[in-house]
Amino acid sequence: NAGVTQTPKFRILKIGQSMTLQCAQDMNHNYMYWYRQDPGMGLKLIYYSVGAGITDKGEVPNGYNVSRSTTEDFPLRLELAAPSQTSVYFCACRGPGNTIYFGEGSWLTVV
Amino acid sequence: ELKVEQNPLFLSMQEGKNYTIYCNYSTTSDRLYWYRQDPGKSLESLFVLLSNGAVKQEGRLMASLDTKARLSTLHITAAVHDLSATYFCAVDMKDGNQFYFGTGTSLTVIP
Repeated sequence: NAGVTQTPKFRILKIGQSMTLQCAQDMNHNYMYWYRQDPGMGLKLIYYSVGAGITDKGEVPNGYNVSRSTTEDFPLRLELAAPSQTSVYFCACRGPGNTIYFGEGSWLTVV
Repeated sequence: ELKVEQNPLFLSMQEGKNYTIYCNYSTTSDRLYWYRQDPGKSLESLFVLLSNGAVKQEGRLMASLDTKARLSTLHITAAVHDLSATYFCAVDMKDGNQFYFGTGTSLTVIP
């Protein structure tokens, strides 16, 4: 997973709390993505960005917000956490050869 | 919205056998990706297929793409236990901004 760094790796939130998942890439590429993966399921696109200052909704954006002030960073914010947001979150970046590179994931539990 | 379907969803096969995983998608795209995911881990890029008729092979895995049929296959030759994992295909939207995953195929290779 060279090039895409996510933090934190694990987090437990109480219902109604907010938090930000951080994502940073060093491939100097414009396209970045946030996905969630529920247990035993595929990945669903939450938000994506095609460059600094440009973001757009994916398949499941409700309950999340993003920003992209720099090429390197693409944080995902959860507002008013709900149990339905318990999931594994992956940040990804398009890199050399059109390959999409993934971070190691952030395991989030909302209780 | 792009739909990406894989079959089978679950596959249990004996070591030494051959099998094929299928990935169908619903709209025009000429870029398809295959990923492997081990339990509790991130996604590892296996293949990037960028044109109709593309075929790539790595070890016991071979992937192909037929853009006219909107179909990609991942063929497993003489399976070994180390291939046990979940395999995902993923497709770019034509504009390259969004990237959608299939449902995944959970492969178990039995000694």
